[in-house]
Amino acid sequence: EVQLVESGGGLVPPGGSLRLSCAASGFTFNNYDINWVRQAPGKGLEWVSYISGTGTSIYYADSVKGRFTISRDNAKNSLYLQMNSLRAEDTAVYYCARDRIVGERSFDIWGQGTMVTVSS
Amino acid sequence: DIQMTQSPSSLSASVGDRVTITCQASQDISNFLNWYQLRPGKAPNLLIYDASNLETGVPSRFSGSGSGTDFTFTISSLQPEDSATYYCQQYDNFPLTFGGGTKVEIK
Repeated sequence: EVQLVESGGGLVPPGGSLRLSCAASGFTFNNYDINWVRQAPGKGLEWVSYISGTGTSIYYADSVKGRFTISRDNAKNSLYLQMNSLRAEDTAVYYCARDRIVGERSFDIWGQGTMVTVSS
Repeated sequence: DIQMTQSPSSLSASVGDRVTITCQASQDISNFLNWYQLRPGKAPNLLIYDASNLETGVPSRFSGSGSGTDFTFTISSLQPEDSATYYCQQYDNFPLTFGGGTKVEIK
């Protein structure tokens, strides 16, 4: 079964750090570009970051640029999001989402999400 | 950044009704537009890609159309399980952006 499973969410104080992971299975991980997308409580979807299959191309939303770092380990079929200098407005469910095909940012497979709460 | 304006923000309709949601891009995005369904407690679900292509396994009552800046998403005959929030998303340029969402409720 094609699957993405996020982990690593939790409660963290403002200014703190957290590392999210996304474990992939059921497909050839390094053939696919992957994204992080989040949904704050009561709000809509917000794209956060993108990484190409080889890890050589990376993009960020302005709201997280300089604070978040996306990476992947294709040998471990895993994606990561290192989140530093966290703010209350980063509170959200974070999803990893796979691009349907290379070059097309249509997210055909999503994880169930992991909740990040930034609060003192 | 490309802004996506989605309307209405919510609607209520009866089972069997035809439902239409619109999405307007702040600049020409060709057909680089997707539609997703989000139900509480579930992962988002890709319904339509490239503005009008039905994702595999998605019921044919869902459809999409449009190009350039104006797009439409339609549910031809609303079903109880279609109660959800729907989002458009452009991928012409980074940063990728979503519309504000349309909450569809069943009367």
